[in-house]
Amino acid sequence: AQKITQTQPGMFVQEKEAVTLDCTYDTSDQSYGLFWYKQPSSGEMIFLIYQGSYDEQNATEGRYSLNFQKARKSANLVISASQLGDSAMYFCAMREGWPGGYNKLIFGAGTRLAVHP
Amino acid sequence: EAGVAQSPRYKIIEKRQSVAFWCNPISGHATLYWYQQILGQGPKLLIQFQNNGVVDDSQLPKDRFSAERLKGVDSTLKIQPAKLEDSAVYLCASSKGSVEFFGPGTRLTVL
Repeated sequence: AQKITQTQPGMFVQEKEAVTLDCTYDTSDQSYGLFWYKQPSSGEMIFLIYQGSYDEQNATEGRYSLNFQKARKSANLVISASQLGDSAMYFCAMREGWPGGYNKLIFGAGTRLAVHP
Repeated sequence: EAGVAQSPRYKIIEKRQSVAFWCNPISGHATLYWYQQILGQGPKLLIQFQNNGVVDDSQLPKDRFSAERLKGVDSTLKIQPAKLEDSAVYLCASSKGSVEFFGPGTRLTVL
């Protein structure tokens, strides 16, 4: 069964430094997608970045990059040059049978990131 | 492009009352999702629509929850009667490809 594990309930980082949020996953499917969402205190889930299981290059989107290690089944989010506005909950999620298909998105429990000035 | 719209943003009801939430997806998005997010947890899918048909409602408590998307655009989620454990944020999302975009959510408190 598919499962997402985020082992860091909370993380602290100094402004302008880089931070890595961990995510490991479990699936028996060969085709899947991995996603990261940010949830500020306002409650909205904001899409950040995704990686397909067949993508050879690590995904990058501005200050966000996804460190995808398929053999280790990990998909860590790296935020470079942290800003105060990055303080939020971060969720890792996976969809089997991606791309295409109608399988549901499974979320981890989240990591709360606090950026200190 | 307008995002996913949801209303109301907040709702407080007493147990055994009924409540309804509304969602309008991003224009052109055929797939619509309702999630329940209990405090301290990640969102859990309740129901997924493709146009006006149900794709997955395996985790929807059908004895009290119902959802519809009659014209394949906006959708309503209803709880009747509500229980204390239904207190959560109800998130609506939509997608055209494989990435889901979420609305601001409705925070439900059941007293």
